[in-house]
Amino acid sequence: GAGVSQSPRYKVAKRGQDVALRCDPISGHVSLFWYQQALGQGPEFLTYFQNEAQLDKSGLPSDRFFAERPEGSVSTLKIQRTQQEDSAVYLCASSPLTSNYGYTFGSGTRLTVV
Amino acid sequence: RKEVEQDPGPFNVPEGATVAFNCTYSNSASQSFFWYRQDCRKEPKLLMSVYSSGNEDGRFTAQLNRASQYISLLIRDSKLSDSATYLCVVNPQGAQKLVFGQGTRLTINP
Repeated sequence: GAGVSQSPRYKVAKRGQDVALRCDPISGHVSLFWYQQALGQGPEFLTYFQNEAQLDKSGLPSDRFFAERPEGSVSTLKIQRTQQEDSAVYLCASSPLTSNYGYTFGSGTRLTVV
Repeated sequence: RKEVEQDPGPFNVPEGATVAFNCTYSNSASQSFFWYRQDCRKEPKLLMSVYSSGNEDGRFTAQLNRASQYISLLIRDSKLSDSATYLCVVNPQGAQKLVFGQGTRLTINP
């Protein structure tokens, strides 16, 4: 596609529910990043993939957060046993290079945990 | 202390005014610097990269002071369409990620 596509656009989850957020990067983009943006804050890094390899997951806040990119294209961010503090916008970005240039962000998934 | 710090604002300025944003970063080994723009309920978009010699793109001028670990953005002749949140962004050396500041909210008034 022309841009980074994320789905769903909005997700309301009951506390304790598991959720899965999908990211379709720009075709051919090597690098894929997930960020979490809380209300009134800048995006915070969660994890980074180079093709199918997860090279950095230092930003994942707890072991309830898990990300995968099995075929080096589509990525899924899974949050288990959601809690209210997980409410945020989850942004996916991809880049054609193994660097931070040429970043394109998706529109994000707004997760609300009630 | 946050790795990238910005004045969150909000800044409210009249159309046509000049406005300046500042940002400081804590990691002296940081190697790449950017300003991103984020409209309400939209994704961040790259406004401009910031180079050591300073750079200009139309009405926008970015400056970097490595010694002081300080980045600035100047907007001249501001337009209503400049209303947005401006994010100061740093790429730490050796890391494949971007570190964002909190963002500075700007509103241009007619």
